[in-house]
This record gives sequence, C-alpha cells and structure tokens, in this order.
Amino acid sequence: DAKTTQPPSMDCAEGRAANLPCNHSTISGNEYVYWYRQIHSQGPQYIIHGLKNNETNEMASLIITEDRKSSTLILPHATLRDTAVYYCIVRVSEGGSYIPTFGRGTSLIVHP
Amino acid sequence: GAVVSQHPSRVICKSGTSVKIECRSLDFQATTMFWYRQFPKKSLMLMATSNEGSKATYEQGVEKDKFLINHASLTLSTLTVTSAHPEDSSFYICSAREHYNSPLHFGNGTRLTVT
Repeated sequence: DAKTTQPPSMDCAEGRAANLPCNHSTISGNEYVYWYRQIHSQGPQYIIHGLKNNETNEMASLIITEDRKSSTLILPHATLRDTAVYYCIVRVSEGGSYIPTFGRGTSLIVHP
Repeated sequence: GAVVSQHPSRVICKSGTSVKIECRSLDFQATTMFWYRQFPKKSLMLMATSNEGSKATYEQGVEKDKFLINHASLTLSTLTVTSAHPEDSSFYICSAREHYNSPLHFGNGTRLTVT
C-alpha cells in the first residue's frame, strides 16, 4: 500500500503562502495524490488532486516532484479560515478497488 | 460542486437503543460510499465500503452486526448503530464518490453520544 508521511504541524502568517509537504515514496505509476482538509468538527473537504503534472484550482496549487515521491500543497495567500488538518492520501489499490485511508495529516495553524 | 448531506448532525441516545445515520449525495450518483469513525484528535478510521446494491465490505475489527450499512440507491447509504453502548460514542462521517478515480466528497459528520 502506498503510504504518506506529513509533518504533524505547521504554522504560517495570514496572507503568506502555506506550503504543506507530503512524502509518498512508494506511490505506484497510476496512483493519484489527493489532498483534503478538515476544519474542526466538520467533515473533510476535497481540495485538489493530481497524477504527474502540477495542478491549480481556486483553492490551491499542487506541485508533484518529477519522480512522484513527494508533493507540496500550496495555499498562496493563507487566511485564518485555512486553519485545519490537511490530509495527503494516495489511491490505495487492493484487488482493483480504491480504499481511501487517512494518515494523521498536518495541523496547519494560520496566525494573524 | 458535489454535495453530500449527512443527517443527523448530532444525536444523543440511551444505551441499548439503535441509531440510524443517513448519507445522501445530492447532485451526483454515488457508486461507492464510505463510512468513517473519528475519535477526538485522531484521524479518520475507515469502517466500511458500501457499493450500491451489494453488501458492504467491513474493515478488520469492525463488527458488521453492530454497524449495519445499507446502500439501497445511488444516492443514499445508511449506517445503523445497533444496541448502542457508551463506547460507540464518536464522530461518524460518510463520504461518496461518483466514479473510480473521482475525489471523495464528505458529509459534515454525525456526533453520536450514547448515555
């Protein structure tokens, strides 16, 4: 199973870019990297996903290294509302089915 | 965007009673739904995978007779906690995906308290 490693916590100042790293050194060639975040006492929220190329949407950018062993989620201008636990997961395949499992994630605190 | 509605958001019940939690995909058809449990300050723990029209697949250690999952349609899955005990108190979250590689979309969770 492809597993991910993330720092347990990070902080950044409001208005600055938040760069959240994720290691997934055992990722397979056809596995996607997904990012979600969970604000306290709410269900997780999908942010972005990618396979090989860098991706950008209205919420964030995803930078995937050329060897695909790590990625970085970038929140370009963090706000206080971005304070949340951020989860990086890869598609875990077992018998052809996708079993989404979550690690501990990174607790991001955005401070004024 | 894809919306998943989970109901109720909070429920308090007495030991020995059963509680049903509903998870609906509002604007897409969910081929697969997942049920998670989360303890305070912990990550999400996958309980079971539910495919429409078939029996749910439970993760190791999850009692299928205690946590009954029904996925009767492409937009509705239910989790019933039977004969609830205080140790079943937790935050339960459902998620749904439309296709195999689609992102997961989550409900807002149900806070269950068993007294």
